[in-house]
Amino acid sequence: GAGVSQSPSNKVTEKGKDVELRCDPISGHTALYWYRQSLGQGLEFLIYFQGNSAPDKSGLPSDRFSAERTGGSVSTLTIQRTQQEDSAVYLCASSFGEPPETQYFGPGTRLLVL
Amino acid sequence: QKEVEQDPGPLSVPEGAIVSLNCTYSNSAFQYFMWYRQYSRKGPELLMYTYSSGNKEDGRFTAQVDKSSKYISLFIRDSQPSDSATYLCAMSPGGSNYKLTFGKGTLLTVNP
Repeated sequence: GAGVSQSPSNKVTEKGKDVELRCDPISGHTALYWYRQSLGQGLEFLIYFQGNSAPDKSGLPSDRFSAERTGGSVSTLTIQRTQQEDSAVYLCASSFGEPPETQYFGPGTRLLVL
Repeated sequence: QKEVEQDPGPLSVPEGAIVSLNCTYSNSAFQYFMWYRQYSRKGPELLMYTYSSGNKEDGRFTAQVDKSSKYISLFIRDSQPSDSATYLCAMSPGGSNYKLTFGKGTLLTVNP
């Protein structure tokens, strides 16, 4: 079946602009995660959604970052007033059920802030 | 000290070689240990998953966990050019703490 999809695959924006990144998880997966992968760095946890529970936002680096998940499926990560240090690959993953179920990753969105 | 340390490499080996990749960690609460493979411009994919200490084998891949030393390893036997990728270790305490902590990844190239 279809895996996790993310769009856009690449995004170039100017400093100060807002961006929205989209994630379509695997159908039926109740858990959804966002990570950030910066050059030379490991994956950094950003946010976790599980079913209808309140999301765990503890990994969001600043209040310029927010995410929502509509209808328990598609998720959007929004970065407001982008800064150059926001340039990274943003990865989405989904899993079926409670952790530590296997997380399946999408291909990522490569964000470049000029 | 970072919670998870992983030598970034790069590591270059000839086809057929045995490859050893490893990570050290400092958080004794970690119970779940994973290895992910990430091809260029792709998302990571889970290779091996181990709970607590011990060995696990899957085909050409063997994962080892030594909790007493806080050290995990991934061995690749008979390495192939298709194994060329970045290998990421990841771990979590499990239970109600689901967050994965990743190493920075080791870039492996297997030369034909």
